[in-house]
Amino acid sequence: GDSVTQMEGPVTLSEEAFLTINCTYTATGYPSLFWYVQYPGEGLQLLLKATKADDKGSNKGFEATYRKETTSFHLEKGSVQVSDSAVYFCALTGRRALTFGSGTRLQVQP
Amino acid sequence: DGGITQSPKYLFRKEGQNVTLSCEQNLNHDAMYWYRQDPGQGLRLIYYSQIVNDFQKGDIAEGYSVSREKKESFPLTVTSAQKNPTAFYLCASSSIGGRENTEAFFGQGTRLTVV
Repeated sequence: GDSVTQMEGPVTLSEEAFLTINCTYTATGYPSLFWYVQYPGEGLQLLLKATKADDKGSNKGFEATYRKETTSFHLEKGSVQVSDSAVYFCALTGRRALTFGSGTRLQVQP
Repeated sequence: DGGITQSPKYLFRKEGQNVTLSCEQNLNHDAMYWYRQDPGQGLRLIYYSQIVNDFQKGDIAEGYSVSREKKESFPLTVTSAQKNPTAFYLCASSSIGGRENTEAFFGQGTRLTVV
């Protein structure tokens, strides 16, 4: 079945550092890929998405490129801020519902 | 504004009680979902529905029940058969595009605690 694997956290960075959160997937067909963000005590918010191979999703300085050849969708940001501290989930569409990775907690220190 | 509303935000349940979590959406989405989130873990699918009056079990449906009598509403009942119900419950909805569902929009969640 479909699955998503994310790097384990927490990831702790200093403000203005470069961020990479790895995500790889297994799926049949050609799913759409997503990154969601969750702040403490809240639901998930869509951060960015890509619907086909080589698409790049971007939002709020975050980027991720749909790499079909490596089945990956790594999240990157050039300069993180304290306000980026949250849990990040990689996900893909399927015939039933979205399948999520286990989430990666990001902590950004001033 | 369009969105998904979950209520209540916090819910306490005594042992042996059934409780119902509300989820309403005004996005005109066909599909709705319930996920469970445990501390430090990802989201696990409980039930989903792609059309009114029809729903399907997800990966952890035991001890839960749902109904989909209206397009806008997808309540989840946590029954006494659910042995470990303390968790954060998230409702979501999406439109259905082609062969696959599109991105999901989430409510703010209900935190259920057994006391």
